[in-house]
Amino acid sequence: AQSVAQPEDQVNVAEGNPLTVKCTYSVSGNPYLFWYVQYPNRGLQFLLKYITGDNLVKGSYGFEAEFNKSQTSFHLKKPSALVSDSALYFCAVSFPYSSASKIIFGSGTRLSIRP
Amino acid sequence: DSGVTQTPKHLITATGQRVTLRCSPRSGDLSVYWYQQSLDQGLQFLIQYYNGEERAKGNILERFSAQQFPDLHSELNLSSLELGDSALYFCASSPLGQINTEAFFGQGTRLTVV
Repeated sequence: AQSVAQPEDQVNVAEGNPLTVKCTYSVSGNPYLFWYVQYPNRGLQFLLKYITGDNLVKGSYGFEAEFNKSQTSFHLKKPSALVSDSALYFCAVSFPYSSASKIIFGSGTRLSIRP
Repeated sequence: DSGVTQTPKHLITATGQRVTLRCSPRSGDLSVYWYQQSLDQGLQFLIQYYNGEERAKGNILERFSAQQFPDLHSELNLSSLELGDSALYFCASSPLGQINTEAFFGQGTRLTVV
C-alpha cells in the first residue's frame, strides 16, 4: 500500500542549531513529494516540493529537503533553526499517474525550537 | 492568505444533526480536496473533485457527502453527526486534477459535536 511515514512525533532543537524532520515513503513509481507547515489555528502552507531533477530542493523560509530514491526518503532540513520555525510539519506524497489522484499526508511532526 | 475560503470557521452542533461546510477554491483552480484533521488520526484525505466531477475518494464515511458546483465551489455535507466527527475540516485547491503542483489550503472549519 502507498504510504508516508514521519517517524518522529516531535523534534526539539535549540535555536541556531541545524534541524532535520524525517519523512519516508512507500510507493510504486515516481511520486511527487511535498512538505507543508501548519501554524496554530491555521491551514497548511506549502514549503517545497520535489518533482524531478536535482535531489536537493530549496523552499520557503530557508528550508530545504533532500530526495533520496534508494532510501525512499525526503527529509526536511534547515541549517539554523529559528524559534519562529516551531510548528507542525507534514510530509506529503502524490501519485500523478494513479487513477486516484490525491495527496497523502504523513502523520505530522511537531517541531519545537527552544531559545 | 492562500486564496481558499472556508465557511464557517467554527461550528457547534448536536449529535444526530446535519451540517454543510463550504469551500471556495482559489480563482482558476479546478480541483478541490477535503481533509479531516483530528488529534488522534492526523490529516485524512476524504474526497477530491475536479471540474465538477468526483476524482478520488479516500476514507470518507457514508454519512458524509460532497459536491462541486458549476462555479467550482464545493460543499461537504456531514449527517447523523457523532461525537467522533469533531475535527478540523480543511479544503484545499489546486489548478489541475493530477497533482504536480502544491495544493493551497483554507484555514479550516472547526466542527464540534456535542
